[in-house]
Amino acid sequence: GENVEQHPSTLSVQEGDSAVIKCTYSDSASNYFPWYKQELGKRPQLIIDIRSNVGEKKDQRIAVTLNKTAKHFSLHITETQPEDSAVYFCAASRGSGGGADGLTFGKGTHLIIQP
Amino acid sequence: DTGVSQDPRHKITKRGQNVTFRCDPISEHNRLYWYRQTLGQGPEFLTYFQNEAQLEKSRLLSDRFSAERPKGSFSTLEIQRTEQGDSAMYLCASSEGAVGEYFGPGTRLTVT
Repeated sequence: GENVEQHPSTLSVQEGDSAVIKCTYSDSASNYFPWYKQELGKRPQLIIDIRSNVGEKKDQRIAVTLNKTAKHFSLHITETQPEDSAVYFCAASRGSGGGADGLTFGKGTHLIIQP
Repeated sequence: DTGVSQDPRHKITKRGQNVTFRCDPISEHNRLYWYRQTLGQGPEFLTYFQNEAQLEKSRLLSDRFSAERPKGSFSTLEIQRTEQGDSAMYLCASSEGAVGEYFGPGTRLTVT
């Protein structure tokens, strides 16, 4: 089955700086890679996703890059703000839009924005 | 509220008892997923429905777990003979077409 590794487990950055979280996956058939933000006691919230036919996607201060050859993808947050503090999860699956199976999640990154 | 809803939000039960959780997906979503999340971990996939058909079950879903989606709308997850190791947050998510999975608020289960 799929295995998703996520690094770092904790990331502390100064407000206004950029943050990068990296994930690798094992199943070459995976083609859908979402990122979720989870605040304490709340549900995971989908913040951005990317499919295998795209190398990069951007939404305001958030961007995701995908390298299918190396089987890794990354989340980039620019101009970080205090409200960006949360746990971020990467995930992979064989398809959204084609059925197949559910998501395999990484272990999460606790992002701390220092004022 | 047009998001995914789950009921109950919290459940405390004694070991050996049966529990049932309900999930109502976003109305136009035909796919429904169940996940389990323990403290400090990412959600773990349990099972997945497309309409009323259960298409995949994780090896995490032991014989004590059963899920249904009888009319392709809401779903129930039942755990029989609960064990302390079943204590977790049970999350439901739904999706449609190329739209990603959106999660409900979860049901926190505590087995004493």
